[in-house]
Amino acid sequence: NAGVTQTPKFQVLKTGQSMTLQCAQDMNHNSMYWYRQDPGMGLRLIYYSASEGTTDKGEVPNGYNVSRLNKREFSLRLESAAPSQTSVYFCASSRYEQYFGPGTRLTVT
Amino acid sequence: AQSVTQPDIHITVSEGASLELRCNYSYGATPYLFWYVQSPGQGLQLLLKYFSGDTLVQGIKGFEAEFKRSQSSFNLRKPSVHWSDAAEYFCAVATTQGGSEKLVFGKGTKLTVNP
Repeated sequence: NAGVTQTPKFQVLKTGQSMTLQCAQDMNHNSMYWYRQDPGMGLRLIYYSASEGTTDKGEVPNGYNVSRLNKREFSLRLESAAPSQTSVYFCASSRYEQYFGPGTRLTVT
Repeated sequence: AQSVTQPDIHITVSEGASLELRCNYSYGATPYLFWYVQSPGQGLQLLLKYFSGDTLVQGIKGFEAEFKRSQSSFNLRKPSVHWSDAAEYFCAVATTQGGSEKLVFGKGTKLTVNP
């Protein structure tokens, strides 16, 4: 099992550009999550999906959109990137405890 | 609102010494509690979890944690630290909303291990 995979691993964007971060899990979990991690801030929840077809806002949803494409895949989209969105993004999935992907390091200049 | 406090931002210990990382939570009901470890440039790996039952839980890599309801604490311990334990450690509490467990994380404790 690959667990939780994320693409890309690294990305540099210019302010105003858009991009989609991809996440997939092969553990047949219903719930999936997107977090961002900033120095000294821990992990903060952006959006989550309790099941296929449902999504809900987390603590810091502004500037992001998500799509739960199917049970396996949960994507995060930045429509117009801003320097404040420079961060490391983690996807996770869970049944009882959360399993994390390796992260995407995003820089917005 | 639920919250997790890790009072120590950075801890330095010598290799072979014992370790205790502190975690305090705020949650009205019986909490589900977790410790995760993150090595530099990596994702988070689950060390151990508490759902119910025995208040002393064992995890991977020789770690254990004790749940103390009276103190709202879930401290992580290891009897003898190895250089490979240098990493950042996150405590988290789970809340249930809309059928999904959401985690609230502490801000983390960075562990440095001196040879």
